[in-house]
Amino acid sequence: ELKVEQNPLFLSMQEGKNYTIYCNYSTTSDRLYWYRQDPGKSLESLFVLLSNGAVKQEGRLMASLDTKARLSTLHITAAVHDLSATYFCAVDMAAGNKLTFGGGTRVLVKP
Amino acid sequence: DTAVSQTPKYLVTQMGNDKSIKCEQNLGHDTMYWYKQDSKKFLKIMFSYNNKELIINETVPNRFSPKSPDKAHLNLHINSLELGDSAVYFCASSRRSYTQYFGPGTRLTVL
Repeated sequence: ELKVEQNPLFLSMQEGKNYTIYCNYSTTSDRLYWYRQDPGKSLESLFVLLSNGAVKQEGRLMASLDTKARLSTLHITAAVHDLSATYFCAVDMAAGNKLTFGGGTRVLVKP
Repeated sequence: DTAVSQTPKYLVTQMGNDKSIKCEQNLGHDTMYWYKQDSKKFLKIMFSYNNKELIINETVPNRFSPKSPDKAHLNLHINSLELGDSAVYFCASSRRSYTQYFGPGTRLTVL
């Protein structure tokens, strides 16, 4: 059974500093997704990573994938308050669109 | 021009009742999903339909029955509601094997 673990579960950030969220998964995967969820809201797609070494960037967020290590990272550069949210990684094991989600990382950016 | 919509947004009901949640997408996708997000924010897939055919059916009590009248709609009917069914239920849609887009969620509270 595929297991997806994120850490940390909670991250208190200071504005202007850099941080990383880690997503480990237990079996070979075809693709990995990152989603953002604001409190009481839906999930918003951030990135999809399709191959080993893939790197995607959007604004202050950068995601990367190492399929050999079964690890994805979400790097936040110069955190700002607007990035406060819960971030989820999700793994699609066999391109069958059966996503297995990590437990989420709650991010709180303090001024 | 909402992409994935769900009704109702909130549902409060008594134990033992039967209720339905409706989902519609106007993205032209061929695959739709139901997810359950529990009080700890953990997300788990319940069902998936592709072109009205059930393709993912996770270990879910048979009190839960999905129905897809057409590619753009996926409903979830729940019989004999229990306290443990309280959660947020998200509908999502995608083109097969592509990024899933989530609806706003339905917060179900069983009293």
